[in-house]
Amino acid sequence: DIVLTQSPLFLSVTPGEPASISCRSSQSLLHSNGYNYLDWYMQKSGQPPQILIYLGSSRASGVPDRVSGSGSGTDFVLNISRVEAADVGVFYCMQARQTPLTFGGGTRLDIK
Amino acid sequence: VRLVESGGGLVRPGLSLSLSCSASGFTFGDYPMSWFRQAPGRGPEWVGFVRSRAHGETAEYAPSVKGRFTISRDDSRSIIYLQMDSLKIEDTARYYCARGGDEVDVWGKGTAVTVSS
Repeated sequence: DIVLTQSPLFLSVTPGEPASISCRSSQSLLHSNGYNYLDWYMQKSGQPPQILIYLGSSRASGVPDRVSGSGSGTDFVLNISRVEAADVGVFYCMQARQTPLTFGGGTRLDIK
Repeated sequence: VRLVESGGGLVRPGLSLSLSCSASGFTFGDYPMSWFRQAPGRGPEWVGFVRSRAHGETAEYAPSVKGRFTISRDDSRSIIYLQMDSLKIEDTARYYCARGGDEVDVWGKGTAVTVSS
């Protein structure tokens, strides 16, 4: 199985400041079609996860442009350029390059 | 777009339970559909997905449930099912259905399954 390692585990950010979350994969997530099968999700307390980024860097519908994803192969990053109170929650990366689909351990973000 | 799960509850180890997920607001038959679960205090876990009819309507499963769980779909009713047999205590979780296979863009609110004696 592909193992995804996220860091850091916890982030405490001042509103308006940037945040960055890393996701490292044990195997390349780059398909021969040129796409990286890595998605980012955010989960707020008591809610299901919601997609933020798919295929490594494509922003999902309704996601603000202050949220971006980058990376290729085995190293990926989720960036939030200006953190807001609405960003409080747990962020997960998920690989869909091969089954079983697997998630990273999660990064909890809170506001200072 | 809406997904509504049902069928959760309390069940004894070794027994079976069937979950349903009713979809609306999109052309159900065009999409693969997935099941995920999340145990209390833990991250989400992929359970499996079923491909669309155009892609053979075949299913893939997580190793932890393969041989015990079965995912099926009824495109005429826009419903996806999760048949769970030989349930174990470690299957206790909130179960979510979701639209998509490799990029999951819509999730239901989930239904809780507790396996306990």
